[in-house]
Amino acid sequence: AQSVTQPDIHITVSEGASLELRCNYSYGATPYLFWYVQSPGQGLQLLLKYFSGDTLVQGIKGFEAEFKRSQSSFNLRKPSVHWSDAAEYFCAVASYNNNDMRFGAGTRLTVKP
Amino acid sequence: DAGVIQSPRHEVTEMGQEVTLRCKPISGHNSLFWYRQTMMRGLELLIYFNNNVPIDDSGMPEDRFSAKMPNASFSTLKIQPSEPRDSAVYFCASSPPTGAPNQPQHFGDGTRLSIL
Repeated sequence: AQSVTQPDIHITVSEGASLELRCNYSYGATPYLFWYVQSPGQGLQLLLKYFSGDTLVQGIKGFEAEFKRSQSSFNLRKPSVHWSDAAEYFCAVASYNNNDMRFGAGTRLTVKP
Repeated sequence: DAGVIQSPRHEVTEMGQEVTLRCKPISGHNSLFWYRQTMMRGLELLIYFNNNVPIDDSGMPEDRFSAKMPNASFSTLKIQPSEPRDSAVYFCASSPPTGAPNQPQHFGDGTRLSIL
């Protein structure tokens, strides 16, 4: 079965600094990869997804992620973080039919003024 | 467009009571998922339905938990009897028909359940 590891439980960055959140996956076939963001008291909102094609995918809110098959990674990046980006971020992997999505434990992002 | 709608948003009840959580998926979506989120265990898939039929309930923790989807626009997750360790945030999500693999799951805002 597929699984996801997010090595960083909590990350703190200064506003305006760049951000990279790490995600490693384990899956025997072609993975379908997602990043979701969860603000306090809210559900999960999709930031971006990767299924095939260009390994650098663009998402909402200025986020991007790069799929690296050789490293089994799908790291999330943003060049300049805003205070409103403070939230919890989840990486997920699914099979093609999307019905057995597995989430990582999440990374909590704190943004310093 | 309306998203996934869950009710209630918050539920506080005493242990031993029956709890029913409700979910209305996005119209046209035919897959529905129930998740539980806790600090200790993160986000866990409890059960999912496809075309109103339960496909995989291996994540349901025990017989006290049951889920139904009587029609395409409504699902319930029931806990009877409830216990303090059931306290968590429960999310419902839906996704469009399979065969469209580029369609992600859409999440509701969750029900925060506290069992005293």
